[in-house]
Amino acid sequence: DVKVTQSSRYLVKRTGEKVFLECVQDMDHENMFWYRQDPGLGLRLIYFSYDVKMKEKGDIPEGYSVSREKKERFSLILESASTNQTSMYLCASSPQGAGNIQYFGAGTRLSVL
Amino acid sequence: QQQVKQSPQSLIVQKGGISIINCAYENTAFDYFPWYQQFPGKGPALLIAIRPDVSEKKEGRFTISFNKSAKQFSLHIMDSQPGDSATYFCAASNTGAGSYQLTFGKGTKLSVIP
Repeated sequence: DVKVTQSSRYLVKRTGEKVFLECVQDMDHENMFWYRQDPGLGLRLIYFSYDVKMKEKGDIPEGYSVSREKKERFSLILESASTNQTSMYLCASSPQGAGNIQYFGAGTRLSVL
Repeated sequence: QQQVKQSPQSLIVQKGGISIINCAYENTAFDYFPWYQQFPGKGPALLIAIRPDVSEKKEGRFTISFNKSAKQFSLHIMDSQPGDSATYFCAASNTGAGSYQLTFGKGTKLSVIP
């Protein structure tokens, strides 16, 4: 069974704090993704990575950065958290050549006060 | 620009009824169309997927119908059960371009009432 683990289920931070969201997958997948999920807006892609040390911007990268130092780990960084970044964050991974099947973690609900 | 439009936003169906969720896309290069199911407190999980070389794919009570000329596809849930209550997302991808990205619809919250 593919397992995508997000380090925190719930997180409360203050405006201006630097926030790290961690994601680890155990299936040696090449591709990893970060989405945010908001009611009525669906899943929006923030950043993705096809390989270690590689990153590409998704649809809404502003205010975020990512890090992928190891194949199994993909971190999302909020350099200076703002209230409009309060959201559910979902990490996903997929193997190359598998028809774009993405496996999701359970999500981190981030509240920025 | 929303490339995959999903409707309705919410749906209430009686147990045993048919649930139908529709999606329309704009990018004719899309060649992979999955549906994801998300239960409260969980991440989305792949439910069923189709490629445009077939017009229909059925897995148990779940069927995808695909209309390439209209650029539309839909999910039909037959004999809907309370356990099907979840949020459903359609998505699309251009695998021919070597892309692994999925473009998601905004989701449909399905409630199946006993």
